[in-house]
Amino acid sequence: DSGVTQTPKHLITATGQRVTLRCSPRSGDLSVYWYQQSLDQGLQFLIQYYNGEERAKGNILERFSAQQFPDLHSELNLSSLELGDSALYFCASSSPRGGTNTGELFFGEGSRLTVL
Amino acid sequence: GNSVTQMEGPVTLSEEAFLTINCTYTATGYPSLFWYVQYPGEGLQLLLKATKADDKGSNKGFEATYRKETTSFHLEKGSVQVSDSAVYFCALSEMDSSYKLIFGSGTRLLVRP
Repeated sequence: DSGVTQTPKHLITATGQRVTLRCSPRSGDLSVYWYQQSLDQGLQFLIQYYNGEERAKGNILERFSAQQFPDLHSELNLSSLELGDSALYFCASSSPRGGTNTGELFFGEGSRLTVL
Repeated sequence: GNSVTQMEGPVTLSEEAFLTINCTYTATGYPSLFWYVQYPGEGLQLLLKATKADDKGSNKGFEATYRKETTSFHLEKGSVQVSDSAVYFCALSEMDSSYKLIFGSGTRLLVRP
């Protein structure tokens, strides 16, 4: 158990809809990362938040947005969904408050999104 | 930009065979290097890592050595087990304030009894 919790585990929705994926990082971790894993694209970095602020941005579509709340949990919002958005979305955390960042990311089990 | 290239899978081996999964990287500076493993239906978990040239990471019988001269971090195991069947990802850590990981495409390993 990595200590990172993601909900929901599975989600089926229709094109054009909007969904929200939630991530609770390991206790005390300040950084949250979002990755998309699809069959043909591998693991793609989407976005990172550190202590409530956006720190790094990757290949995230404009239809997608994220935020990190004061309690450090994060949400990834996906809107105007398309068939190609079907994928496994992973959240990871790191950077323990008051600790040393070893570079290791701790991953949740992912949220599998299916767009029909 | 930085990138990681892994050998394509799937790799199919018999139990007790020797495993090598090749990984090379392109990066400015000297990033930390990682191997993550993803078992079916699970998230990624760290298998091993190396933070500087010539470091050898090892765990559960797996090893990888950080080779600066060949920009490689190949994963090896002397005798694989059926339970090693999984997808293996090579990754590097960006040398900026984000510490985000850049992953290779993953290599699926299937070990047959």
